[in-house]
Amino acid sequence: GAGVSQSPSNKVTEKGKDVELRCDPISGHTALYWYRQSLGQGLEFLIYFQGNSAPDKSGLPSDRFSAERTGGSVSTLTIQRTQQEDSAVYLCASSSQGAHEKLFFGSGTQLSVL
Amino acid sequence: GENVEQHPSTLSVQEGDSAVIKCTYSDSASNYFPWYKQELGKGPQLIIDIRSNVGEKKDQRIAVTLNKTAKHFSLHITETQPEDSAVYFCAASNQAGTALIFGKGTTLSVSS
Repeated sequence: GAGVSQSPSNKVTEKGKDVELRCDPISGHTALYWYRQSLGQGLEFLIYFQGNSAPDKSGLPSDRFSAERTGGSVSTLTIQRTQQEDSAVYLCASSSQGAHEKLFFGSGTQLSVL
Repeated sequence: GENVEQHPSTLSVQEGDSAVIKCTYSDSASNYFPWYKQELGKGPQLIIDIRSNVGEKKDQRIAVTLNKTAKHFSLHITETQPEDSAVYFCAASNQAGTALIFGKGTTLSVSS
């Protein structure tokens, strides 16, 4: 596709359930990021994939959060045993120009934990 | 770690006026400073960026200035238009150079 695609666009779940969020980056982009945006807040870095290197997981808030990137393309962010404080917009971005430059963001997944 | 402060949180201007948004950062090793515009229901979009070896950069009605000594940078929008209304985020590269630290955003409203 022409841009970064995220699915689902909205996800409502019950506290304690697991959720999976998907990101399809721009074809050929080697860098992929996950960020979290809480209401009225800036973007919070979660995890970063660059090519075949080990991912930078330094932003993950707890061990309930994990992410993988298969075949250097599609990425899945998994949140286990969701909590109400996990409610936020989860944004994926990809880039071809170095680690953190010229990020192209998707429209995000709005996660609501009831 | 890196911390980025952004002001003001909201800004209202009349169409045709200029708008200025300011950010400060804490890590003197930061070397890349982008600005993103986020419209309702969409992801942020890069509008301009600057590196630490440059003091100013312009792109049509948008300009960014950087003061490395004071560790602050600013976004200037001239001749504002209603379509400039959005949330603007500044960011700075972190010490490891592997991710961006974002400010909390400025909601710009341009009234006609």
